[in-house]
Amino acid sequence: KQEVTQIPAALSVPEGENLVLNCSFTDSAIYNLQWFRQDPGKGLTSLLLIQSSQREQTSGRLNASLDKSSGRSTLYIAASQPGDSATYLCAVGVTGANNLFFGTGTRLTVIP
Amino acid sequence: DAGVIQSPRHEVTEMGQEVTLRCKPISGHDYLFWYRQTMMRGLELLIYFNNNVPIDDSGMPEDRFSAKMPNASFSTLKIQPSEPRDSAVYFCASSRGGYYGYTFGSGTRLTVV
Repeated sequence: KQEVTQIPAALSVPEGENLVLNCSFTDSAIYNLQWFRQDPGKGLTSLLLIQSSQREQTSGRLNASLDKSSGRSTLYIAASQPGDSATYLCAVGVTGANNLFFGTGTRLTVIP
Repeated sequence: DAGVIQSPRHEVTEMGQEVTLRCKPISGHDYLFWYRQTMMRGLELLIYFNNNVPIDDSGMPEDRFSAKMPNASFSTLKIQPSEPRDSAVYFCASSRGGYYGYTFGSGTRLTVV
């Protein structure tokens, strides 16, 4: 069964700092990986979707990379802002299945 | 596009009562998923549909839970009778297929007292 791990579980950084969130998965037979953001008491907002054939995706200050062979993805946030404070979840789509396997999330706090 | 629409946003009910959660997927999305989120277990898949047909319900906790999708634009998740341990946030998501990614609704926060 696919296991998805996110480290660290919580991260606190001062405003303006660049940061990296990590996601690892045990089964490399994935077709894509999706990063989501969840604000407290809210739903999941999709940030970036990386197909298994891709190495990275960028959107504004966000850059996500994927190394399928090593079972790792990173989400890089440049010049962090207090508005970036949220929980970030990664989820993998596994070949042969139509559902997502979620990590437990990293709770990010950006201090003004 | 209004996104995935869930109702109600919040539901408080007494133990033993029937609870019905509703979801309207994005038009054109063939897949619909029901997830449950708790602090202890994170996000868990309960059931998913493809073209209105239930494909995998192995995540449904027990017979008290049932889900239906009578047409392409509507799905329900029913809990009868409800118990305090069912308290969680229930999310609905839809997709054109895994390759295209998933879109989630805002969730229904269920509290069973």
